[in-house]
Amino acid sequence: DIQMTQSPSTLSASVGDRVTITCRASRSISVWLAWYQQKPGKAPNLLIYQASSLQNGVPPRFSGSGSGTEFTFTISSLQPDDFATYYCQQYSDYSVTFGQGTKLEIK
Amino acid sequence: QLQLQESGPGLVKPSETLSLTCTVSGGSISDTSYDWGWIRQPPGKGLEWIAARQESRRTFYNPSLQSRVIISLDTSKNQFSLTLSSVTAADTAIYYCVRHSGSIDWCESWGQGTLVTVS
Repeated sequence: DIQMTQSPSTLSASVGDRVTITCRASRSISVWLAWYQQKPGKAPNLLIYQASSLQNGVPPRFSGSGSGTEFTFTISSLQPDDFATYYCQQYSDYSVTFGQGTKLEIK
Repeated sequence: QLQLQESGPGLVKPSETLSLTCTVSGGSISDTSYDWGWIRQPPGKGLEWIAARQESRRTFYNPSLQSRVIISLDTSKNQFSLTLSSVTAADTAIYYCVRHSGSIDWCESWGQGTLVTVS
């Protein structure tokens, strides 16, 4: 199984801040990585796929990068609606695993 | 617009079988461009992929659950189902049905989720 290690588990930030979340894979997954946002009581919402491709309708302040085993997710300027939990997901080799999640809190 | 809706019992007894159905509207589960699957989330915890399959193709499983899971597709009703046998309290979770883009790729559409409690 491919393990995904996501960090940090909690992140405190203010509106307007630039924030970055990291996801590491236990072995190379090329660019087969997605990022999701989840708000309390709601299903996750796809933001980024194939490591850096922005899903239709997602604001450009969200971005992703990386390949192989190291990936980053960045919000360039935090908005009030962005405080939520974020998950990475690998989809390499006909299997799926998620990172543990990063809860983005208001400082 | 694609919509997925989970349905099934909210309470299952230990050692029994959990059965959920996902009804799809705005798209066809016969479309071979996509895979259809299930993901769960224990209350207050992270996401765990269960399994996914495509009409007329093989099913792919989370190895830790494979021995207990069946996914079936009913194209006449445009529904797909999850069966999880021999449940324990550890199977208590919100269960989401999803559509994968392509073959076990990212999950582009999610149902709203349904809480199943094993007790």
